[in-house]
Formats: sequence, structure tokens, C-alpha cells
Amino acid sequence: GAVVSQHPSWVICKSGTSVKIECRSLDFQATTMFWYRQFPKQSLMLMATSNEGSKATYEQGVEKDKFLINHASLTLSTLTVTSAHPEDSSFYICSAGRQGYNSPLHFGNGTRLTVT
Amino acid sequence: GENVEQHPSTLSVQEGDSAVIKCTYSDSASNYFPWYKQELGKRPQLIIDIRSNVGEKKDQRIAVTLNKTAKHFSLHITETQPEDSAVYFCAAEGGNKLTFGGGTRVLVKP
Repeated sequence: GAVVSQHPSWVICKSGTSVKIECRSLDFQATTMFWYRQFPKQSLMLMATSNEGSKATYEQGVEKDKFLINHASLTLSTLTVTSAHPEDSSFYICSAGRQGYNSPLHFGNGTRLTVT
Repeated sequence: GENVEQHPSTLSVQEGDSAVIKCTYSDSASNYFPWYKQELGKRPQLIIDIRSNVGEKKDQRIAVTLNKTAKHFSLHITETQPEDSAVYFCAAEGGNKLTFGGGTRVLVKP
């Protein structure tokens, strides 16, 4: 089955620093990748949709200058949390879908970010 | 945009009993409805899905029903086992975007 690899699985950083999270589709080309955020005991909230070679589409209320998304290739998308603050501490999960295939998303293992 | 409501938020059942989780969605254009199981600290795992041209789908102890007219769909787990304990999310896809319900924490008591 399709595999999506996400790194790192957890990261602790100091307030004000930036953190980059990588998401790779290992055995298929992902023209679209989705970034979700999940706070404890809550649902997955879509942050943005990234399409290879173009700018990401952000959901309402998500600051595009704070959460930088790059989707430079069909197998790699990155999310950079800039100037992180404690309220950004959360579980970030990427997912990828195949082009033209109304299919289940394949999720990465998630990254638990703790900002101290 | 799409809005997905999920009920109940918590569900406690005795081992061997059935569990039912219900979801409603708002966008009539949504045409794909997956269900995910998430264990603590892990990624969501797809357990079953259904498309809008199908009314019911079953996979062993798990079944999903879809009522397009009423815009609601349900997950049924029969003969529950302790390993079924987890958080379950329904989702609806429309416009190439997946919107999740709020989740149901299921506890199966041995």
C-alpha cells in the first residue's frame, strides 16, 4: 500500500525558533498533500493544501506567513513553523493523495511539536 | 464549506456488544466518506470507506451505511473487542478536501 513518511516524529524547540517538518510519499507521486493539526482530544483540522509546483492554499484562520509550506516535488512537502510559540504545540500530520483518484488519504505518522 | 457532525463523542460498550457512530454532513456535493481509527499518539488508520453511489458496505465486523438524501452516514462495529477501543473519526470529501468529524472515543469494556 501507499506509504507516507513524516519526519521528525517529535520535536521540542524553544519559543521563537523555527521547525521544519518533512512529508514524503515513498511509492507514489503525490500531486496534492494536506497538512493537518490536531490538538489533544480534538479532531484533525486541515491547515493547508499544497500542490506540487504551486502555492499552498490555506484554510481560514491559518497564518500563511507563520506556517510555510513548500511542495517542490511530487514526493516531498515541507511545513515550517516559524517563530514558534507554546500555543503552536500540537500534533501535525501530513497526508497525500494520488492524482485523479478519489481515494483514501494516506497519512504520515505525525509530528508532535512541543514549544517551550 | 463542508461541516461534519459526529455523535456520540464518547461511547462505552461491553465486549461483544455492538457500537454505532453517526455522522451528518452539509455539502451535498461530497461523494466520499472514509472512517478512520486513531490510537493515542498515532496516525489515523483507514478502516472502511464508502462512496456516494453505494448505500452500504461491510468488511467483517465493520459496516458503514450512507443515506445521501438525509446526508448522514454511520459506522457499525459488531462483536466489539477490547482492541476496538480507540478514537474513531468520520470524514467527508468534497472538492478534493477531507473534512473530519469531531471524533468518538470508544471504550470496550472486557
